[in-house]
Amino acid sequence: AQSVTQLDSQVPVFEEAPVELRCNYSSSVSVYLFWYVQYPNQGLQLLLKYLSGSTLVKGINGFEAEFNKSQTSFHLRKPSVHISDTAEYFCAYMNTGFQKLVFGTGTRLLVSP
Amino acid sequence: DADVTQTPRNRITKTGKRIMLECSQTKGHDRMYWYRQDPGLGLRLIYYSFDVKDINKGEISDGYSVSRQAQAKFSLSLESAIPNQTALYFCATSDPAGGDTQYFGPGTRLTVL
Repeated sequence: AQSVTQLDSQVPVFEEAPVELRCNYSSSVSVYLFWYVQYPNQGLQLLLKYLSGSTLVKGINGFEAEFNKSQTSFHLRKPSVHISDTAEYFCAYMNTGFQKLVFGTGTRLLVSP
Repeated sequence: DADVTQTPRNRITKTGKRIMLECSQTKGHDRMYWYRQDPGLGLRLIYYSFDVKDINKGEISDGYSVSRQAQAKFSLSLESAIPNQTALYFCATSDPAGGDTQYFGPGTRLTVL
């Protein structure tokens, strides 16, 4: 079955520390990959996306992600987090032929002083 | 003004009542979607529409129906609400150009007593 796995439901980190949020997908065909962020009491906002080309994708707010086809991963990274990065982060993929997003279960990033 | 709006933002209702959630968009996109979000489950697709005459079931359509009144409007109905439909509901739109990135509304929090 096609799916997205976010192994960590919650990631606590101190301010200014680096962070990596993990995402693995399962698909037998080509995919587009996305990271969305949901701040408290808000909708989802696109952080970054991989469609093709360079496997290192840079997004908003200093986040980046690397597409690794052999490991079917699309981990999200930030070298130095801020308190304002506290939010829930969703990884999602879309089969290039189906136009439907499949979401992971989300990772809650908790940044403390 | 927000590109994707949802009304109401919050709704409390009783078991058995009919409820309609509305979504409007000013992005000019043909494709619209309804998702529900439950803690620990991520977002799951209820229905989607690729144009005014196209309606498709998602992975959890039972107990829901939709109406695409115009390119800009896509409504979700619960014909007879039940408590396990208590959730956060999101509308989204997309354009197939540029990888079909989805843009989300702010969400409707529905509580069924």
